Amino acid sequence: EAQVTQNPRYLITVTGKKLTVTCSQNMNHEYMSWYRQDPGLGLRQIYYSMNVEVTDKGDVPEGYKVSRKEKRNFPLILESPSPNQTSLYFCASSPLAGVGSGELFFGEGSRLTVL
Amino acid sequence: DAKTTQPNSMESNEEEPVHLPCNHSTISGTDYIHWYRQLPSQGPEYVIHGLTSNVNNRMASLAIAEDRKSSTLILHRATLRDAAVYYCILIYFGNEKLTFGTGTRLTIIP
Repeated sequence: EAQVTQNPRYLITVTGKKLTVTCSQNMNHEYMSWYRQDPGLGLRQIYYSMNVEVTDKGDVPEGYKVSRKEKRNFPLILESPSPNQTSLYFCASSPLAGVGSGELFFGEGSRLTVL
Repeated sequence: DAKTTQPNSMESNEEEPVHLPCNHSTISGTDYIHWYRQLPSQGPEYVIHGLTSNVNNRMASLAIAEDRKSSTLILHRATLRDAAVYYCILIYFGNEKLTFGTGTRLTIIP
């Protein structure tokens, strides 16, 4: 089954404790991206990747890191989480490097709470 | 980046058609119009997209104004499962930076 898989789905952590949210897609997509969703603010893009070893900042990259060492994986790294990073996170992928005419496939989301 | 404007919320009766509007007056010639929806407790899912002509698929229809400054997502016969937040976004082919906004929350009345 074609899908985007995120782990963990739920996580409660404490300020400053490094964590990684993994994202994996099995569709051989070139484009992958991370979003956070907060009440009243909609979905905001954190980082995106056009292909392996190619990443760039979205609208809200502060406090996050990403890497794209393999085509199928795009982990989101919080080196020193803070309470303002408490949010619902979504990973997405698309078959096209330019997503204008393509479809974005989203994961089920990872709810992160930072105490 | 071109922006879209959608009503915050709409209601519709079950089994009736729903027309969800979206204004995008600053759209450029190479912006694709995409619609996604987000069901409760799920990630967004693709609904439909178009460039200039009206589009139909199994989920919905997309009507694009002749000047492309507005579009309408049409659900032909709403069901309770269509209750969701619907996002209209513009995506420039080759522009990877996407902004979803807050969308329209659609409530279906049984």
